Amino acid sequence: NAGVTQTPKFQVLKTGQSMTLQCAQDMNHNSMYWYRQDPGMGLRLIYYSASEGTTDKGEVPNGYNVSRLNKREFSLRLESAAPSQTSVYFCAGSGTGPLLYGYTFGSGTRLTVV
Amino acid sequence: RKEVEQDPGPFNVPEGATVAFNCTYSNSASQSFFWYRQDCRKEPKLLMSVYSSGNEDGRFTAQLNRASQYISLLIRDSKLSDSATYLCVVAPRRYALNFGKGTSLLVTP
Repeated sequence: NAGVTQTPKFQVLKTGQSMTLQCAQDMNHNSMYWYRQDPGMGLRLIYYSASEGTTDKGEVPNGYNVSRLNKREFSLRLESAAPSQTSVYFCAGSGTGPLLYGYTFGSGTRLTVV
Repeated sequence: RKEVEQDPGPFNVPEGATVAFNCTYSNSASQSFFWYRQDCRKEPKLLMSVYSSGNEDGRFTAQLNRASQYISLLIRDSKLSDSATYLCVVAPRRYALNFGKGTSLLVTP
């Protein structure tokens, strides 16, 4: 099915380990986003890519890096995981910009750092 | 002041009831507004955009008051399947959306 695909769906890491969350879309979206969602905090923007070849920090970028590999793929890397990064991570895409059509979200990655 | 504020609820209503959610936003330059729905342990999904003139989609009506920086969502004839968290979303700048923390709705038989 067309849409935004995230892998993995679940992950448990030990403190200090690294990992990359993958996101791919087949909706020809120009813009892509990474959010985290924590209880009581709502969705917070980590990084976004307005177009292929560009990335920008969001509200909570510390501890993360991103790569916009091509138009389809936007990955999120945790270099040294910390318990504070336990969260649900959502990737999203938007076509001509979110102002008109909002986002399409992937199904999320549930990450636990122990 | 938080950028997007919503009453977290929960709102418990019987089937068939009408329920209204409100949301306020702080950035007067915000350009676009949406309501999203999020089911438990699922991703948010776009419910509807919110236009200055107000708009309706079946049982759902959204209103925007730019002067008061206020957005509302009205659900008529509530169904059990409407039980979810409703997220108020505002676009203060071109490429990113700000999400409220959500209002929880439980529709009971």
